[in-house]
Amino acid sequence: GQSLEQPSEVTAVEGAIVQINCTYQTSGFYGLSWYQQHDGGAPTFLSYNALDGLEETGRFSSFLSRSDSYGYLLLQELQMKDSASYFCAAKDSNYQLIWGAGTKLIIKP
Amino acid sequence: DAGVIQSPRHEVTEMGQEVTLRCKPISGHDYLFWYRQTMMRGLELLIYFNNNVPIDDSGMPEDRFSAKMPNASFSTLKIQPSEPRDSAVYFCASREDRGDYGYTFGSGTRLTVV
Repeated sequence: GQSLEQPSEVTAVEGAIVQINCTYQTSGFYGLSWYQQHDGGAPTFLSYNALDGLEETGRFSSFLSRSDSYGYLLLQELQMKDSASYFCAAKDSNYQLIWGAGTKLIIKP
Repeated sequence: DAGVIQSPRHEVTEMGQEVTLRCKPISGHDYLFWYRQTMMRGLELLIYFNNNVPIDDSGMPEDRFSAKMPNASFSTLKIQPSEPRDSAVYFCASREDRGDYGYTFGSGTRLTVV
């Protein structure tokens, strides 16, 4: 079957760095995406990794290792507004997304 | 672009009534997706269209659910008759062909069936 595993909840302190991990098992794989969703809001696209390595966009970075079927989202200089759920999603051989269950990021002052 | 537009934002209806959710995708996006999100089941793909043609409706829970896309700028998701267990947030999303730039989600419709 196809599945993505990510922690259900992560807690961090404002100003710190946090990493949210994601492992995947899919039939065919083209890349890994990350989405952010605030409570009551819609998922919004953060990043997409098609190749191994680190992609940086401001305070957020995303990493992919195809050989390990693993990726992570790194958030630096955490701000209270980063409190949200973060979803990893793998693009399968049909170019469709298989979604993880989401990680709730709790940030404490 | 105004993004993906969904209506209504909130819908409260009585069990047994028909509910119609509407979506306008981003112009030029070839794919349109209907998702349902609940605390218990997370984000579930119900159906998706490519160039207005339904491609995979295996996620539609039962025959009470139907979706149409009569043209490139409009889609509907209909539930008839509605049941309390259909209460959820329903999202519409669209993307370009390969989707490397991600899906764009609408604001969602929060459906409550009482």
